[in-house]
Amino acid sequence: GAVVSQHPSRVICKSGTSVKIECRSLDFQATTMFWYRQFPKKSLMLMATSNEGSKATYEQGVEKDKFLINHASLTLSTLTVTSAHPEDSSFYICSAGAGTTISETQYFGPGTRLLVL
Amino acid sequence: GQQLNQSPQSMFIQEGEDVSMNCTSSSIFNTWLWYKQDPGEGPVLLIALYKAGELTSNGRLTAQFGITRKDSFLNISASIPSDVGIYFCAGQNSGGSNYKLTFGKGTLLTVNP
Repeated sequence: GAVVSQHPSRVICKSGTSVKIECRSLDFQATTMFWYRQFPKKSLMLMATSNEGSKATYEQGVEKDKFLINHASLTLSTLTVTSAHPEDSSFYICSAGAGTTISETQYFGPGTRLLVL
Repeated sequence: GQQLNQSPQSMFIQEGEDVSMNCTSSSIFNTWLWYKQDPGEGPVLLIALYKAGELTSNGRLTAQFGITRKDSFLNISASIPSDVGIYFCAGQNSGGSNYKLTFGKGTLLTVNP
């Protein structure tokens, strides 16, 4: 159980275009989903917290107009990188929270590799 | 903000050896988690710890939640080649709607057959 998928797994786009990444919890409902960015040989950096039916909460330094997040249902969140530039090239990973009374364990998707040319 | 110090940064060991890595925090966490990440993949949860002093095993993996709630360690016994990867500790404070994870910088494990 607790499977999270991401689509696409890899995407190459031209500078100035927008790219949408989907994150789905396949066998559980996730009230909260998280979006991370990871550079090579670095740790995961939280970009934003996405709650179903409400606006996402962005971490300091993350441009909300640049990285649009929509959490339309309890099993789907999307991240859109708008007007992508080469510096946006990175590994984007989502996670979905499976809540308990004690804590909310996060299960991660397989990641999306974005390359902006 | 909260910071996690994870060590060692990397390890090179022979197959069959035991491995130990740890994380310390500048402040308290309610939950400690250990993840493993293979190249080009997302992190996979290995062990979750919810109580100070808790010692939990998952096969050849053992992790402990420090009494002070500011540290945790992960041990891997009798390492095998498929243990290769990056191991991340993560601290979490639950309560309200805040379930954010704070990650350590990772330990890169290489196992020589």
